[in-house]
Amino acid sequence: EIVLTQSPGTLSLSPGAGATLSCRASQTVSSRYLAWYQQKPGQAPRLLIYGASSRATGIPDRFSGSGSGTDFSLTISRLESEDFAVYYCQQYVTSPITFGQGTRLEIK
Amino acid sequence: QVTLKESGPVLVKPTETLTLTCTVSGFTLTDAKMGVSWIRQPPGKALEWLAQIFSNDEKSYRKSLKSRLTISKDTSISQVVLKMTKMDPVDTATYYCARIRLGSDYTPIFDYWGQGTLVTVSS
Repeated sequence: EIVLTQSPGTLSLSPGAGATLSCRASQTVSSRYLAWYQQKPGQAPRLLIYGASSRATGIPDRFSGSGSGTDFSLTISRLESEDFAVYYCQQYVTSPITFGQGTRLEIK
Repeated sequence: QVTLKESGPVLVKPTETLTLTCTVSGFTLTDAKMGVSWIRQPPGKALEWLAQIFSNDEKSYRKSLKSRLTISKDTSISQVVLKMTKMDPVDTATYYCARIRLGSDYTPIFDYWGQGTLVTVSS
């Protein structure tokens, strides 16, 4: 099973700042099979990025994904109030599909 | 407009079998590039993938739960059903279904999710 480790666990930032969230895999993950989700309290996860760097439909361009191999990042530029949430990475290169433990992005 | 909606019991007793239904609209379960997955999330914890099924009836299960899970679909009524036997309090979670769309290069994309349904396991 591929374990995804996200860091930091919690990130405290102010609106307008930039954020970089990390996702490290225990084995090589093809970029095609790495995704990022945003989850707000009481809501389902929302797909942000698939294929490591492709934005999903309707996702603002302040969200960007990058990385390869075992290290992947989600960058959010110019944080807005609605961006404060929990973010998960996901790999689907091998079964079982696994998710990271999440990074909580909170308002400083 | 693509939607998925989970339904099922909110409370089950230990040892019982849980049956959850995902009713989809805005796409068909016969589309060659579509599938449906079940994912759960215990309160305050991370997401855990359980199972998925594609239009060709190809199925995959989480290995650690495979003996307890059965996924099936009824294309005539646009539903995907997940059964989980021998429920235990540790199975208390919000259960989500999500659409899997295969991209142009067959990259699986979990693009739409249902709102989720909270299932509590307690006597």
